[in-house]
Amino acid sequence: VQLVQSGPEVKKSGESLKISCQGSGYTFTGYWVAWVRQMPGKGLEWLGIIYPGDSDTRYSPSSQGQVTISADRSTNTASLEWSSLKATDTGMYYCAVAGQAINFGVSGGFDFWGQGTLVTVSS
Amino acid sequence: SSELTQPPSVSVSPGQTASITCSGDNLGDSFVYWYQQKPGQSPFLVMSQDNRRPSGVPARFSGSNSGRTATLTISETQASDEGDYYCQAWDSSSLVFGGGTKLTVL
Repeated sequence: VQLVQSGPEVKKSGESLKISCQGSGYTFTGYWVAWVRQMPGKGLEWLGIIYPGDSDTRYSPSSQGQVTISADRSTNTASLEWSSLKATDTGMYYCAVAGQAINFGVSGGFDFWGQGTLVTVSS
Repeated sequence: SSELTQPPSVSVSPGQTASITCSGDNLGDSFVYWYQQKPGQSPFLVMSQDNRRPSGVPARFSGSNSGRTATLTISETQASDEGDYYCQAWDSSSLVFGGGTKLTVL
């Protein structure tokens, strides 16, 4: 299993951005893909998750309306998108795949992680 | 488990046992996962479903979860175990991470 994320980005506040995570070595449509943010020097924060098989998408309460998660089954790629970046969006963004089924509210961890995409937003 | 609380830091001598706790309301009602993150690297799953070690994780790592507290225990701690450790669980349809614990092997 390999998750390859797009390269670092430097943007200004108000600009749009889409970063990607391409999966290989497994059936992309069969496993949930999550996005996790890590602000500089801080901990992990879950943003949301998508099931590429049917595009079922869930967002954290804090990220709902702030980002859009999508998946392209033709290219085995999951994406995280902003329509208007803020300086507070600066951080490292990871995609991660759950190796087993997720039972929301009960179980589901992430066995495989991408290398991360550093997003820097200046005001 | 809307909020998971971890100690900011844990120190241990080489060869000794390190215990990292993760506390949250009704944490025992869901499974807990643990990740190790070393500087400049992506997180790495070291414990799944409370106490299942993923392939390749040394048997020195063990886990438990009961009531309000989950614990990751590392026996015979080595210098290579240094890093940040995060617990993770689900609260309804939201995934929650603990704040992280920095493990120092002195």
